[in-house]
Amino acid sequence: KQEVTQIPAALSVPEGENLVLNCSFTDSAIYNLQWFRQDPGKGLTSLLLIQSSQREQTSGRLNASLDKSSGRSTLYIAASQPGDSATYLCAVLGSSNTGKLIFGQGTTLQVKP
Amino acid sequence: IAGITQAPTSQILAAGRRMTLRCTQDMRHNAMYWYRQDLGLGLRLIHYSNTAGTTGKGEVPDGYSVSRANTDDFPLTLASAVPSQTSVYFCASSARRTGGLSSGNTIYFGEGSWLTVV
Repeated sequence: KQEVTQIPAALSVPEGENLVLNCSFTDSAIYNLQWFRQDPGKGLTSLLLIQSSQREQTSGRLNASLDKSSGRSTLYIAASQPGDSATYLCAVLGSSNTGKLIFGQGTTLQVKP
Repeated sequence: IAGITQAPTSQILAAGRRMTLRCTQDMRHNAMYWYRQDLGLGLRLIHYSNTAGTTGKGEVPDGYSVSRANTDDFPLTLASAVPSQTSVYFCASSARRTGGLSSGNTIYFGEGSWLTVV
């Protein structure tokens, strides 16, 4: 059974700092991995999607990497801003092809001005 | 505005009552999903539909039913609500092709329906 773990559960940093969020998964047989952002009381917004054949994806100040063999992904946020404060979730799509995403429990980020 | 609309936004429901959470998308996505999000347990898939006319069970389907009469709508019904169904419910959709989400299609989420069963 696929399990997704995110560490740390919460993170507080000063504005301007570069930071890394971690995601690990137990079964390397995945189709892809997605990173989402969730603001309090809101739904999830997709940030980056990495195919199983890819090593990384970039969007603006965000860079996500994927190492299938070790079961790890990282989300790198450069020059963090208070507006980046949110919960970040990673999710993997397994080989069952049902569209069933397995989510981690998220990392809650606070960027202090 | 294109996207996913969920209704109601929030609801307090007496135990034993029947409740339907509505979900409509205007992106013509073929795949739709219902998740529940609970503190400490994260997001868990309840039911899904790969295309109109078909549905499947997710990780926590008991106590819930869905239907997919057309592409746009995917209602979730609680036949007889229980307090353990108190949760935030998210509807989602994706333009899932033959290769599934592996084809690179992003999944989009609605804003959620907050349900409290008392």
